[in-house]
Amino acid sequence: GQQVMQIPQYQHVQEGEDFTTYCNSSTTLSNIQWYKQRPGGHPVFLIQLVKSGEVKKQKRLTFQFGEAKKNSSLHITATQTTDVGTYFCAGGGGTSYGKLTFGQGTILTVHP
Amino acid sequence: DVKVTQSSRYLVKRTGEKVFLECVQDMDHENMFWYRQDPGLGLRLIYFSYDVKMKEKGDIPEGYSVSREKKERFSLILESASTNQTSMYLCASRIGLEETQYFGPGTRLLVL
Repeated sequence: GQQVMQIPQYQHVQEGEDFTTYCNSSTTLSNIQWYKQRPGGHPVFLIQLVKSGEVKKQKRLTFQFGEAKKNSSLHITATQTTDVGTYFCAGGGGTSYGKLTFGQGTILTVHP
Repeated sequence: DVKVTQSSRYLVKRTGEKVFLECVQDMDHENMFWYRQDPGLGLRLIYFSYDVKMKEKGDIPEGYSVSREKKERFSLILESASTNQTSMYLCASRIGLEETQYFGPGTRLLVL
């Protein structure tokens, strides 16, 4: 079945440094969604990418969807302590009823 | 605001017990999902439902069953709890295919 691999599993940065997490799918995706889970919280939707090569920005966050629609990245510029949490990508592969396959998540720690 | 609620935040059960986890959403969403979240494994789909009385197996359905008698409620049942079912269980709902998923707060289940 479809697999979505996400790296790195952990990332520790100093406040102000940049951060990137990457997702790779074993199959072509119809869309990719990104979620953030704060410590002790539940995943919260950030964004959805649908088009090949799409780039979207939300303030300091930049999301990219690869040309082949098999990979994606989330880049945070100048991290802040409020960015801590686990970031998940989730790929929609056109399977039955739009099932999402989640990556393992990247746990981001920001040191002040 | 979409609200997804789960019946318990924390639950302790004994091996062999039957366990019911309840999820309710208040936005008339058609699709509902049950995931389990384990460190390093991300979110894995157990079952999902795209309509009342309809269900489909996810990636790890073994040892679980579900029930959806009403649109707003989706129940996860552990027929005979085992220690390897100790996990965080997250319910989610969405309005339609390839739309945002809204997550509940999660139930942390410990099986002794």
